[in-house]
Amino acid sequence: KNEVEQSPQNLTAQEGEFITINCSYSVGISALHWLQQHPGGGIVSLFMLSSGKKKHGRLIATINIQEKHSSLHITASHPRDSAVYICAVIPNYGGSQGNLIFGKGTKLSVKP
Amino acid sequence: KAGVTQTPRYLIKTRGQQVTLSCSPISGHRSVSWYQQTPGQGLQFLFEYFSETQRNKGNFPGRFSGRQFSNSRSEMNVSTLELGDSALYLCASSLGLVGEQYFGPGTRLTVT
Repeated sequence: KNEVEQSPQNLTAQEGEFITINCSYSVGISALHWLQQHPGGGIVSLFMLSSGKKKHGRLIATINIQEKHSSLHITASHPRDSAVYICAVIPNYGGSQGNLIFGKGTKLSVKP
Repeated sequence: KAGVTQTPRYLIKTRGQQVTLSCSPISGHRSVSWYQQTPGQGLQFLFEYFSETQRNKGNFPGRFSGRQFSNSRSEMNVSTLELGDSALYLCASSLGLVGEQYFGPGTRLTVT
């Protein structure tokens, strides 16, 4: 079993829909990243969070440390949001984030 | 500020050869991490360097090695290349050991 599980694996939405991507993990963590990867490979860090909730524009990330679960929400989705979204955790046994553990990613396609 | 740069961007090598990839972090960043991304395994952690010291190493064979220079630039080397080493190799930099990571565009290595 993977230490970081994401769901769904693939997601197709219509423009304007509210989208939720989930991430569950089985290890103790010091923080969690949400990453976005566009075709061609470039990765952008969207959020790093260790508790509560963060918001940036139409993106919202939440984390529940007790339940070992995080969600990424996209409000009013747009075709330019089409990308792979990756959850990655910093295990708290490493002392640093170098040994990030990644989920397999959620491929999001937003249709106009 | 310039972003993380990686050279070369694309590389084709033959089995048995060796390869060196380079990563220049954002100015002032002292932590550099390397990751391998393949369709089958997804993203996997290779190494982490901080102030010229290897802090963590992922579960990869000894053919994979790296180093960091005093200006924080980092290189990774893969010797005796195998077909399975074909992948996108990404580096990321951050100010410290735990913090937001900034990813480079990656080096796409093809081993024939």
